[in-house]
Amino acid sequence: DQQVKQNSPSLSVQEGRISILNCDYTNSMFDYFLWYKKYPAEGPTFLISISSIKDKNEDGRFTVFLNKSAKHLSLHIVPSQPGDSAVYFCAARPVGADGLTFGKGTHLIIQP
Amino acid sequence: GAGVSQSPRYKVAKRGQDVALRCDPISGHVSLFWYQQALGQGPEFLTYFQNEAQLDKSGLPSDRFFAERPEGSVSTLKIQRTQQEDSAVYLCASSLGDRDNSPLHFGNGTRLTVT
Repeated sequence: DQQVKQNSPSLSVQEGRISILNCDYTNSMFDYFLWYKKYPAEGPTFLISISSIKDKNEDGRFTVFLNKSAKHLSLHIVPSQPGDSAVYFCAARPVGADGLTFGKGTHLIIQP
Repeated sequence: GAGVSQSPRYKVAKRGQDVALRCDPISGHVSLFWYQQALGQGPEFLTYFQNEAQLDKSGLPSDRFFAERPEGSVSTLKIQRTQQEDSAVYLCASSLGDRDNSPLHFGNGTRLTVT
Protein backbone atom coordinates (compact mmCIF):
# COMPACT_ATOMS: atom_id res chain seq x y z
CA ASP A 1 0.00 0.00 0.00
CA GLN A 2 1.73 3.12 -1.29
CA GLN A 3 1.31 5.92 1.23
CA VAL A 4 3.16 8.38 -1.01
CA LYS A 5 2.20 8.27 -4.65
CA GLN A 6 3.85 9.88 -7.64
CA ASN A 7 1.55 8.92 -10.46
CA SER A 8 3.66 10.24 -13.32
CA PRO A 9 6.68 8.02 -13.95
CA SER A 10 8.07 10.61 -16.35
CA LEU A 11 7.57 14.21 -17.43
CA SER A 12 9.05 16.07 -20.39
CA VAL A 13 9.30 19.88 -20.29
CA GLN A 14 10.88 22.39 -22.61
CA GLU A 15 13.84 24.36 -21.31
CA GLY A 16 12.76 27.70 -19.86
CA ARG A 17 9.21 26.57 -19.11
CA ILE A 18 7.72 25.58 -15.75
CA SER A 19 8.03 22.00 -14.51
CA ILE A 20 5.31 20.81 -12.14
CA LEU A 21 5.81 17.54 -10.30
CA ASN A 22 2.93 16.13 -8.29
CA CYS A 23 2.66 13.91 -5.25
CA ASP A 24 -0.34 12.52 -3.34
CA TYR A 25 -0.34 10.95 0.09
CA THR A 26 -2.79 8.94 2.12
CA ASN A 27 -1.43 9.05 5.68
CA SER A 28 -2.92 11.98 7.59
CA MET A 29 -0.16 11.60 10.21
CA PHE A 30 2.45 12.96 7.82
CA ASP A 31 3.62 16.34 9.11
CA TYR A 32 6.78 17.03 7.12
CA PHE A 33 7.32 16.73 3.39
CA LEU A 34 10.44 16.85 1.26
CA TRP A 35 11.57 16.68 -2.34
CA TYR A 36 14.80 14.95 -3.36
CA LYS A 37 16.54 14.95 -6.71
CA LYS A 38 18.54 11.98 -7.94
CA TYR A 39 21.03 11.63 -10.77
CA PRO A 40 21.98 8.15 -12.06
CA ALA A 41 24.47 6.28 -9.86
CA GLU A 42 24.26 8.94 -7.15
CA GLY A 43 22.34 9.18 -3.92
CA PRO A 44 19.29 11.47 -3.59
CA THR A 45 20.05 15.13 -2.91
CA PHE A 46 17.79 17.24 -0.72
CA LEU A 47 15.98 20.02 -2.63
CA ILE A 48 13.30 21.62 -0.53
CA SER A 49 10.95 20.80 2.33
CA ILE A 50 7.72 22.01 3.87
CA SER A 51 6.12 21.58 7.26
CA SER A 52 2.42 20.77 7.51
CA ILE A 53 1.77 24.12 9.18
CA LYS A 54 2.64 25.91 5.94
CA ASP A 55 1.15 25.77 2.46
CA LYS A 56 4.07 27.14 0.46
CA ASN A 57 7.84 27.25 0.66
CA GLU A 58 10.10 28.86 -1.90
CA ASP A 59 13.84 28.56 -2.54
CA GLY A 60 15.14 30.18 -5.70
CA ARG A 61 13.68 28.43 -8.74
CA PHE A 62 11.99 25.79 -6.57
CA THR A 63 8.61 26.17 -4.85
CA VAL A 64 6.73 23.50 -2.98
CA PHE A 65 2.98 23.77 -2.42
CA LEU A 66 1.06 21.75 0.14
CA ASN A 67 -2.71 21.23 0.04
CA LYS A 68 -3.53 19.34 3.23
CA SER A 69 -7.25 18.96 2.56
CA ALA A 70 -6.48 17.27 -0.75
CA LYS A 71 -3.42 15.46 0.65
CA HIS A 72 -1.46 16.74 -2.29
CA LEU A 73 1.83 18.49 -2.78
CA SER A 74 3.61 19.76 -5.83
CA LEU A 75 7.05 20.98 -6.77
CA HIS A 76 7.34 23.84 -9.24
CA ILE A 77 10.62 24.54 -11.02
CA VAL A 78 10.79 27.75 -13.00
CA PRO A 79 12.50 28.32 -15.31
CA SER A 80 13.48 24.71 -16.06
CA GLN A 81 17.11 24.15 -16.98
CA PRO A 82 18.89 21.18 -18.63
CA GLY A 83 20.62 20.33 -15.33
CA ASP A 84 17.20 19.77 -13.78
CA SER A 85 16.86 16.52 -15.74
CA ALA A 86 16.81 13.87 -13.00
CA VAL A 87 14.49 11.65 -11.00
CA TYR A 88 12.54 13.55 -8.35
CA PHE A 89 11.32 11.81 -5.22
CA CYS A 90 8.59 13.08 -2.95
CA ALA A 91 9.02 12.00 0.68
CA ALA A 92 7.05 12.40 3.88
CA ARG A 93 7.50 11.70 7.59
CA PRO A 94 4.75 10.87 10.07
CA VAL A 95 4.62 12.57 13.45
CA GLY A 96 7.01 10.86 15.85
CA ALA A 97 8.60 8.63 13.23
CA ASP A 98 12.23 8.49 12.24
CA GLY A 99 12.21 7.24 8.68
CA LEU A 100 10.92 8.94 5.57
CA THR A 101 8.36 7.33 3.25
CA PHE A 102 9.28 7.89 -0.38
CA GLY A 103 7.27 7.83 -3.58
CA LYS A 104 8.48 5.90 -6.61
CA GLY A 105 9.84 8.99 -8.29
CA THR A 106 9.19 11.00 -11.45
CA HIS A 107 11.80 11.18 -14.17
CA LEU A 108 11.95 14.80 -15.36
CA ILE A 109 13.41 15.39 -18.80
CA ILE A 110 14.19 18.94 -19.85
CA GLN A 111 14.14 19.29 -23.62
CA PRO A 112 16.45 21.91 -25.22
CA GLY B 1 33.57 19.11 2.51
CA ALA B 2 33.34 15.33 2.51
CA GLY B 3 29.91 13.83 2.07
CA VAL B 4 28.54 10.46 3.12
CA SER B 5 30.81 7.72 1.85
CA GLN B 6 29.68 4.13 1.22
CA SER B 7 31.72 1.09 0.31
CA PRO B 8 31.84 -1.01 -1.69
CA ARG B 9 30.02 0.70 -4.57
CA TYR B 10 29.11 -2.65 -6.06
CA LYS B 11 28.87 -6.08 -4.48
CA VAL B 12 28.01 -9.37 -6.11
CA ALA B 13 27.23 -12.21 -3.75
CA LYS B 14 26.18 -15.77 -4.32
CA ARG B 15 22.94 -16.78 -2.66
CA GLY B 16 23.63 -17.84 0.90
CA GLN B 17 26.72 -15.67 1.38
CA ASP B 18 27.00 -13.03 4.08
CA VAL B 19 27.77 -9.43 3.10
CA ALA B 20 28.81 -6.31 5.01
CA LEU B 21 28.16 -2.81 3.72
CA ARG B 22 29.97 0.18 5.20
CA CYS B 23 28.85 3.76 5.70
CA ASP B 24 30.99 6.73 6.74
CA PRO B 25 28.62 9.57 7.63
CA ILE B 26 29.45 13.25 7.59
CA SER B 27 31.61 14.03 10.60
CA GLY B 28 29.58 15.26 13.56
CA HIS B 29 26.24 14.03 12.26
CA VAL B 30 24.19 12.56 15.06
CA SER B 31 21.62 10.70 13.03
CA LEU B 32 22.30 7.85 10.60
CA PHE B 33 19.79 6.00 8.46
CA TRP B 34 19.87 2.98 6.16
CA TYR B 35 17.47 2.67 3.24
CA GLN B 36 16.92 -0.03 0.63
CA GLN B 37 16.01 0.94 -2.93
CA ALA B 38 14.78 -1.76 -5.28
CA LEU B 39 14.78 -1.20 -9.02
CA GLY B 40 12.09 1.27 -10.07
CA GLN B 41 11.08 2.05 -6.48
CA GLY B 42 11.75 4.81 -4.03
CA PRO B 43 14.07 4.24 -1.06
CA GLU B 44 12.51 2.29 1.82
CA PHE B 45 13.49 2.91 5.42
CA LEU B 46 15.41 0.14 7.16
CA THR B 47 16.85 1.47 10.42
CA TYR B 48 17.86 4.59 12.35
CA PHE B 49 20.73 5.36 14.74
CA GLN B 50 21.11 8.29 17.10
CA ASN B 51 24.85 8.26 17.77
CA GLU B 52 25.57 4.63 18.71
CA ALA B 53 22.02 3.77 19.76
CA GLN B 54 19.81 1.95 17.27
CA LEU B 55 16.48 3.59 18.06
CA ASP B 56 14.39 2.24 15.24
CA LYS B 57 14.83 -0.99 13.30
CA SER B 58 11.23 -1.38 12.25
CA GLY B 59 12.11 -1.43 8.54
CA LEU B 60 14.55 -4.34 8.60
CA PRO B 61 12.85 -6.98 6.44
CA SER B 62 14.05 -10.05 8.36
CA ASP B 63 16.36 -11.19 11.12
CA ARG B 64 19.01 -11.78 8.46
CA PHE B 65 19.55 -8.02 8.43
CA PHE B 66 21.66 -6.49 11.17
CA ALA B 67 23.09 -2.99 11.54
CA GLU B 68 25.51 -1.48 14.02
CA ARG B 69 27.22 1.83 14.75
CA PRO B 70 29.38 0.96 17.74
CA GLU B 71 31.24 4.27 18.17
CA GLY B 72 28.57 6.58 16.88
CA SER B 73 30.24 7.29 13.55
CA VAL B 74 30.87 4.51 10.98
CA SER B 75 28.00 2.09 10.49
CA THR B 76 27.85 -1.39 9.00
CA LEU B 77 24.80 -3.11 7.54
CA LYS B 78 25.20 -6.87 7.51
CA ILE B 79 23.02 -9.26 5.57
CA GLN B 80 23.35 -12.93 6.40
CA ARG B 81 22.52 -15.79 4.03
CA THR B 82 21.70 -13.43 1.19
CA GLN B 83 18.67 -14.16 -1.00
CA GLN B 84 17.88 -12.95 -4.51
CA GLU B 85 15.22 -10.59 -3.17
CA ASP B 86 17.95 -8.77 -1.26
CA SER B 87 19.28 -7.41 -4.58
CA ALA B 88 18.92 -3.63 -4.36
CA VAL B 89 20.82 -0.41 -3.80
CA TYR B 90 21.48 0.17 -0.10
CA LEU B 91 21.63 3.85 0.76
CA CYS B 92 23.06 5.37 3.89
CA ALA B 93 22.12 8.88 4.99
CA SER B 94 23.14 11.11 7.86
CA SER B 95 21.80 14.31 9.35
CA LEU B 96 23.17 16.81 11.81
CA GLY B 97 20.27 16.87 14.20
CA ASP B 98 18.55 14.39 16.41
CA ARG B 99 15.00 13.55 15.30
CA ASP B 100 14.53 17.03 13.93
CA ASN B 101 13.93 18.41 10.46
CA SER B 102 17.56 18.74 9.40
CA PRO B 103 17.82 17.34 5.88
CA LEU B 104 19.25 13.92 5.15
CA HIS B 105 22.51 13.72 3.22
CA PHE B 106 22.68 10.50 1.22
CA GLY B 107 25.70 8.55 0.08
CA ASN B 108 25.90 7.13 -3.44
CA GLY B 109 24.82 3.72 -2.25
CA THR B 110 26.03 0.14 -2.55
CA ARG B 111 24.46 -1.87 -5.35
CA LEU B 112 24.08 -5.46 -4.14
CA THR B 113 23.41 -8.18 -6.67
CA VAL B 114 22.67 -11.66 -5.36
CA THR B 115 23.10 -14.41 -7.95
